[in-house]
Amino acid sequence: DAKTTQPPSMDCAEGRAANLPCNHSTISGNEYVYWYRQIHSQGPQYIIHGLKNNETNEMASLIITEDRKSSTLILPHATLRDTAVYYCIVRRETSGSRLTFGEGTQLTVNP
Amino acid sequence: NAGVMQNPRHLVRRRGQEARLRCSPVKGHSHVYWYRQLPEEGLKFMVYLQKENIIDESGMPKERFSAEFPKEGPSILRIQQVVRGDSAAYFCASSPPGDSREKLFFGSGTQLSVL
Repeated sequence: DAKTTQPPSMDCAEGRAANLPCNHSTISGNEYVYWYRQIHSQGPQYIIHGLKNNETNEMASLIITEDRKSSTLILPHATLRDTAVYYCIVRRETSGSRLTFGEGTQLTVNP
Repeated sequence: NAGVMQNPRHLVRRRGQEARLRCSPVKGHSHVYWYRQLPEEGLKFMVYLQKENIIDESGMPKERFSAEFPKEGPSILRIQQVVRGDSAAYFCASSPPGDSREKLFFGSGTQLSVL
């Protein structure tokens, strides 16, 4: 699986958009970009995933660059409950392939 | 966390005892994954199972650890002769059969403390 690079920490003001970057310059054509988050001491929670088109759901938006070497997760209106470690993961399109978690970005939403 | 049930939530064992961690996946899910998170560290993959089969155990320590996912019943992660270094949060995740692009659903974890 391709390696990802994320900033170790970010801050965001409550109510503002949080934009979390991820670099995955060695991504290959059959690899998807996944985002998960882990709120302190809880199990990871799926947020969104995509291949090459931008994606949006009720939680977030995922913007993938045209060359697919980087992506940005956008939380449009961050709340205090969005404080968590956010993981960007690249996963091969093979049956049952595992998720490999890196260090992630600690997002702190401030009041 | 989408129906993955792990128990117990907290487990305390003395050195040398056995620890059994249980994971009931989301109904209909046939893939189970176990992850370990040491204090202040990231999530590390341990093992991936489908019903009655171990598919990938590359992250499992070679000794004392074993996992199963029987045809009936929950998946079990078993740690024999526990040591203090086994103290960690153990998370289970499940996914449905077929399309591997399906997201994983994680449980709330079992916090193992070895005295």
